[in-house]
Amino acid sequence: QVQLQESGPGLVKPSQTLSLTCIVSGGSISSGAYYWSWIRQHPGKGLEWIGYIYYTGTTYYNPSLESRVTISMDTSKNQFSLRLTSVSAADTAVYYCVRSPRIAAAETGPYHFDYWGQGALVTVSS
Amino acid sequence: DIQMTQSPSPLSASIGDRVTITCRASQSVSSYLNWYQQKPGKAPRLLIYSASSLQSGVPSRFSGSGSGTDFTLTISSLQPEDFATYYCQQSYSSLRTFGQGTKVEIK
Repeated sequence: QVQLQESGPGLVKPSQTLSLTCIVSGGSISSGAYYWSWIRQHPGKGLEWIGYIYYTGTTYYNPSLESRVTISMDTSKNQFSLRLTSVSAADTAVYYCVRSPRIAAAETGPYHFDYWGQGALVTVSS
Repeated sequence: DIQMTQSPSPLSASIGDRVTITCRASQSVSSYLNWYQQKPGKAPRLLIYSASSLQSGVPSRFSGSGSGTDFTLTISSLQPEDFATYYCQQSYSSLRTFGQGTKVEIK
């Protein structure tokens, strides 16, 4: 049974960088069978897809965040990470790391999100 | 961006009711439409993928239908554990987007 667990600071100061890591157990992130995404949820609000990474290094970012976001992976540690720069209060949210099975032969990105981490609340405040 | 609009919101229902939630896309998403359930303080859970395929382990009282721009999630007989917020999500465009959510409340 695959498990995903987010880790990182729960409090970040405005203008600084938010960094989170997702540790994956029960499966290899370099298998090529899955995409690995970050999704966030502002307090009391809906879900926003931040982007994904594939084991080849291919990434895609939400255009609204693209200038500030980097998703990377460390296959030796079986984990992937999110980095969001120049944060403001608007980035306060619960951040989820998520798995998606690769469906199509071509690298077309995640279709549905089948396993989620428990979520990490990150508050941006001085 | 493809906008996903859910209705109604919220939805009040009783145990045993047949419940239908609608999701409308701002343009066709073919059958690239998924449904999730979220309970307070928990991560979302995948219920339905590709508009009508039931995710493993999800009770058969949940079903999905539709294609193009109009989709429905149906709960055939509402159970106490089904009171939650439900989200649709499209994977047709490069930018995956979610609906705003439909909260199913106790009547």
